[in-house]
Amino acid sequence: EAGVAQSPRYKIIEKRQSVAFWCNPISGHATLYWYQQILGQGPKLLIQFQNNGVVDDSQLPKDRFSAERLKGVDSTLKIQPAKLEDSAVYLCASSLGGGDTQYFGPGTRLTVL
Amino acid sequence: SQKIEQNSEALNIQEGKTATLTCNYTNYSPAYLQWYRQDPGRGPVFLLLIRENEKEKRKERLKVTFDTTLKQSLFHITASQPADSATYLCALPDYGNNRLAFGKGNQVVVIP
Repeated sequence: EAGVAQSPRYKIIEKRQSVAFWCNPISGHATLYWYQQILGQGPKLLIQFQNNGVVDDSQLPKDRFSAERLKGVDSTLKIQPAKLEDSAVYLCASSLGGGDTQYFGPGTRLTVL
Repeated sequence: SQKIEQNSEALNIQEGKTATLTCNYTNYSPAYLQWYRQDPGRGPVFLLLIRENEKEKRKERLKVTFDTTLKQSLFHITASQPADSATYLCALPDYGNNRLAFGKGNQVVVIP
């Protein structure tokens, strides 16, 4: 069974630029999550989708972050404009349903200069 | 929101010994608690889930305990091997929602 795929694996941008990350969850998983993991910290949930609807985006900085889940499968997370403090690893995870075991992708390491 | 505490210092342990990690939480007691393993450059991998009515859970060389009175979970790796070297994260649902809150993680280094 293929795992959660993410791209790119690494991205370096300058502050005030925009960036987008892509995630392809495990086939059949209805729930998709985006997490931010700052160095030395645990992952922090940014947004949770159930199919193509948003379940929880209370910790998403909506002035600069946006996310969508196309047709309930793939998802993109965008940051515009980026700030220095956005430097982190962005992890995508999926599960069969909310509350089920989450399977994480390898993450995208973002460096904002 | 839930506050989760894991030891920030790395645990260095001799191969073959038992590694024990602690996860403490404040505020309300969750219905369950999870442990994940994370290797450098990779996403977390789910290891074990223990529910509030379970005192202990085992999986191969891993053992997890859950003490709701102490608000603490212990994670044990018995007969540790160098391949067990990684960061171990505990996670539990935040109060009032299903959002999973993670601790900072505790690094384990198994010395051959």
